[in-house]
Amino acid sequence: GAVVSQHPSWVICKSGTSVKIECRSLDFQATTMFWYRQFPKQSLMLMATSNEGSKATYEQGVEKDKFLINHASLTLSTLTVTSAHPEDSSFYICSASDLTGLEKLFFGSGTQLSVL
Amino acid sequence: AQTVTQSQPEMSVQEAETVTLSCTYDTSENNYYLFWYKQPPSRQMILVIRQEAYKQQNATENRFSVNFQKAAKSFSLKISDSQLGDTAMYFCAFKAGAQKLVFGQGTRLTINP
Repeated sequence: GAVVSQHPSWVICKSGTSVKIECRSLDFQATTMFWYRQFPKQSLMLMATSNEGSKATYEQGVEKDKFLINHASLTLSTLTVTSAHPEDSSFYICSASDLTGLEKLFFGSGTQLSVL
Repeated sequence: AQTVTQSQPEMSVQEAETVTLSCTYDTSENNYYLFWYKQPPSRQMILVIRQEAYKQQNATENRFSVNFQKAAKSFSLKISDSQLGDTAMYFCAFKAGAQKLVFGQGTRLTINP
C-alpha cells in the first residue's frame, strides 16, 4: 500500500520556538493532505486541509497564523507550529489522498510535540 | 453536518472470543464511504476495513467483518477469533465525496490472554 512518511516522530522544544513537521508521500502523488491533532485518549481532530499549490483550508477554531501549512509539491506538506506554547503539546498526524480518489487516505506515523 | 457516534468507550474480551464494536452515523448523503481504523499503542492509524454505501454486501477482511445497515445508519465491526494484537483504539469514520473524513470518538478494545 501507499506510504506516508512523517518526521520527526517526536520533538521537544522550548516555549516560544517554532517547530516544523514534515509529511511526505513516498510512492504516490498526494493532491490533498490533511493535518490532525489528537489529545490523549481522544479522537482525531481535523485541523486543516491542504491542496498542492493553494492555501490551506483551516477548520473553525484553528489559528492559521499559529499553525502554518505549506503544500508546495505533490509529495510534501509541512506544518509549522509557530511560537509554540505548552498548550500546543499534542500528537499531530498527517494523512494524504492520492489521485485515484479521495476515499483512500493514508496516514503518517504521527509526531508527538512536547513544549516545555 | 455528518456525525459519527461510537457508544462504547471501552470493551474487553478474552482472546479467541468474538467482539462487536458499534457505530452509528447521521447523514443526508446517499453516496459515501464508511471505515474502521485501528490505532494500536504505536499510534499509527491502520485501515481495517472499508464499506461503500452503494454496495449492499457487507465488507470482510479475514477476521474482520462489518454489519452495514444503511437504513438504520449503522456500521458495526465484528472481530472473530480475537488476538492479543487486536488490542487498540478503534475509530469508525465517514466520508462523502470530497468532504472531510469524520471520526467517531473511538472504542478502546482490550484483548485479554
